[in-house]
Amino acid sequence: GNSVTQMEGPVTLSEEAFLTINCTYTATGYPSLFWYVQYPGEGLQLLLKATKADDKGSNKGFEATYRKETTSFHLEKGSVQVSDSAVYFCAAGGTSYGKLTFGQGTILTVHP
Amino acid sequence: DAGVIQSPRHEVTEMGQEVTLRCKPISGHNSLFWYRQTMMRGLELLIYFNNNVPIDDSGMPEDRFSAKMPNASFSTLKIQPSEPRDSAVYFCASSFVVAGGNYEQYFGPGTRLTVT
Repeated sequence: GNSVTQMEGPVTLSEEAFLTINCTYTATGYPSLFWYVQYPGEGLQLLLKATKADDKGSNKGFEATYRKETTSFHLEKGSVQVSDSAVYFCAAGGTSYGKLTFGQGTILTVHP
Repeated sequence: DAGVIQSPRHEVTEMGQEVTLRCKPISGHNSLFWYRQTMMRGLELLIYFNNNVPIDDSGMPEDRFSAKMPNASFSTLKIQPSEPRDSAVYFCASSFVVAGGNYEQYFGPGTRLTVT
């Protein structure tokens, strides 16, 4: 089955710093790739997605590009805000019933 | 749309008691997933359904756990008897799955279960 590996956290940044959270996957074929965000006390929310190689997903200033050659889907943001503090999950899909394989999650804390 | 609805939002119970968690998926969605989240184990997939039929329950930790989906708009996760180690946040998620489509899941707000 699929597997997803995220960079170890937690990640601590100052406001307006550049963010990268690494994500790599192993899969048969070319799965759809997703980033989810979980704010404290809430469920996971879809942040962005990409469905094929070289696709770039973007939302709220976050971006990730589907790299088939490196089997990666790294999340980036040019200038983080305190309100971006959350847990970020990378996920791979592509099965017949909609099952997603999640990474372990990366805690991001942004200080003023 | 109201999104995925879970109830109760918080549940505190004593060891040995039966606990039932409820989920209403987004209308029109045909796959439903139950997850458990803890600090120690992270996010775990327990069981999932497609068109109300259980597809894979290999993530269910023990026979004390059971799940049903009697119709397209309702699912339950039951723990009987409950134990302190079952304390966690339980999430329900749903998606609309079609052949060749892209299957983002939509999560509910979760039920925080505490077993004392």
